[in-house]
Amino acid sequence: GAVVSQHPSWVICKSGTSVKIECRSLDFQATTMFWYRQFPKQSLMLMATSNEGSKATYEQGVEKDKFLINHASLTLSTLTVTSAHPEDSSFYICSPKQGTYNEQFFGPGTRLTVL
Amino acid sequence: QKEVEQDPGPLSVPEGAIVSLNCTYSNSAFQYFMWYRQYSRKGPELLMYTYSSGNKEDGRFTAQVDKSSKYISLFIRDSQPSDSATYLCAFTGGFKTIFGAGTRLFVKA
Repeated sequence: GAVVSQHPSWVICKSGTSVKIECRSLDFQATTMFWYRQFPKQSLMLMATSNEGSKATYEQGVEKDKFLINHASLTLSTLTVTSAHPEDSSFYICSPKQGTYNEQFFGPGTRLTVL
Repeated sequence: QKEVEQDPGPLSVPEGAIVSLNCTYSNSAFQYFMWYRQYSRKGPELLMYTYSSGNKEDGRFTAQVDKSSKYISLFIRDSQPSDSATYLCAFTGGFKTIFGAGTRLFVKA
């Protein structure tokens, strides 16, 4: 399978601060990047989809000004949680996809805790 | 009707048992079928991927697809405690992938 890295794997921050999560596809070019959020014992919830060099498309109910996504290259995408609040505490997972391939691979996830 | 239905479990089995995990779907446009395994606090890991009706085997894992019934299954033979995880079915017919809620599996030693 594809190799995907996420950094940091775990972060604790104070309410009101911003946190940036990096996702890298190490052995393939990700033309599309999906960002998911997962609450404990719940399934994956798609937050947004981005194509390299384009603006992200956000799912209904996801604030685009709060969750800033940058997909500047085919191997790197970032998710910035701005002015984080305790309700933003969750597990964030990126999922790069290559071209027309149907398989979807996932990063190891980032656990965000906002105090 | 939900696009994908998956029993969340939990499913508890003794070591060595054959495990059967199932999902149903309603969207005929789904053409590709996947199973993911997710350990606690980790990202999902792709286990099986198939696009045709029938069986696909990989080691102790067998994925089964019945397009006429819109039903897919994952069988795990000789289950091990290390198989304890959440298993998610996933479907795609184009751009987006739709995931099941996941079934939590516990294999007792």
